[in-house]
Amino acid sequence: GQQVMQIPQYQHVQEGEDFTTYCNSSTTLSNIQWYKQRPGGHPVFLIQLVKSGEVKKQKRLTFQFGEAKKNSSLHITATQTTDVGTYFCAGSDNYGQNFVFGPGTRLSVLP
Amino acid sequence: EAGVVQSPRYKIIEKKQPVAFWCNPISGHNTLYWYLQNLGQGPELLIRYENEEAVDDSQLPKDRFSAERLKGVDSTLKIQPAELGDSAVYLCASSLSGLGWQGSTGELFFGEGSRLTVL
Repeated sequence: GQQVMQIPQYQHVQEGEDFTTYCNSSTTLSNIQWYKQRPGGHPVFLIQLVKSGEVKKQKRLTFQFGEAKKNSSLHITATQTTDVGTYFCAGSDNYGQNFVFGPGTRLSVLP
Repeated sequence: EAGVVQSPRYKIIEKKQPVAFWCNPISGHNTLYWYLQNLGQGPELLIRYENEEAVDDSQLPKDRFSAERLKGVDSTLKIQPAELGDSAVYLCASSLSGLGWQGSTGELFFGEGSRLTVL
């Protein structure tokens, strides 16, 4: 079955440093979503990517979908303490009928 | 607009006891999901409903887990009997069907979750 992996598992950065998490799928995806889960909270939708090679930006966050639609990345520029949490990618290979979540990357930001 | 509502937020039971979780999705969302999330891991799908029909329950341990979504709105997830390994957070999510359907972005809206501890 479809598998989604993420690296790194954990990332500790100093406030102001950049952060990147990578997501890889065992199958070609139709679309991929990114979620953020704060400690003790529930996953909250950040963005969805659909097109091959697509790049989307949300303020300090940059999301990219690979050309082969099997990988994706999330880059945060100049991290802030409010960025703390776990970032999950969720891939679908059937146009959103089922999403398989990755294990997440847990980000800690030291002030 | 109210979000996805789940109850109870916390439940502590002894093994072999039954437990039930309830979910009220966002109004108008015809797709409902139950996910299980273990500590430090990503959500894992248990079952997906399209209206009242369970269209994907391949990951639901049917010997002890059951779910229903009567009238295609609220849903309940039951475990009977509970085992120690069932301790986890049970997340309910809802969405509009399919990518692009009725203007849907495909976004999943999650509830706060029900944290189960089995002793």
